[in-house]
Amino acid sequence: GENVEQHPSTLSVQEGDSAVIKCTYSDSASNYFPWYKQELGKRPQLIIDIRSNVGEKKDQRIAVTLNKTAKHFSLHITETQPEDSAVYFCASPRSYQLTFGKGTKLSVIP
Amino acid sequence: ETGVTQSPTHLIKTRGQQVTLRCSSQSGHNTVSWYQQALGQGPQFIFQYYREEENGRGNFPPRFSGLQFPNYSSELNVNALELDDSALYLCASSLRLGGGNSPLHFGNGTRLTVT
Repeated sequence: GENVEQHPSTLSVQEGDSAVIKCTYSDSASNYFPWYKQELGKRPQLIIDIRSNVGEKKDQRIAVTLNKTAKHFSLHITETQPEDSAVYFCASPRSYQLTFGKGTKLSVIP
Repeated sequence: ETGVTQSPTHLIKTRGQQVTLRCSSQSGHNTVSWYQQALGQGPQFIFQYYREEENGRGNFPPRFSGLQFPNYSSELNVNALELDDSALYLCASSLRLGGGNSPLHFGNGTRLTVT
């Protein structure tokens, strides 16, 4: 089955700095790569996703890049703010199922 | 647009008991997936329902079962509860079209504690 590795497991940045979280996947047929943000005690919420026919997608301060050859994709958050503090999960599909990484706890220090 | 709703929000059960969790999918969605999220971990796929049939199962034993109803709502049943079943159970709905994946929209989850 699909295997998704996510790192780092924890990340602390100063407010205003950038944060990068990386994921690797194993199934070369995977074609959809979402990122979810989960605040403490809340549901995971989709923040950005990318399909395999593009290499990069941006939405304001958030971007995702995809390297299909190397089978990895990354989440980039620029100009981080305290409200960006949360756990972030990447995911990769196997058939119609999503396999999630173990998560990255991002702490933005004011 | 109505989001994904789950009930109950919290539940405490004793080892060996049975539990039923409920989920109403987001309007317009036809697929429901269930995930188990242990503390500090990512969501683990339990199974998915599409057109009222199970469509894929993760590494969970048969005592985890489910249903999907004609209105696309769903139930997750767990028999013979074990202590390790204590977790947050998340329901997610999505719209399956002809092919490819679509975003999952999660409910707030049911926090199950087994004592």
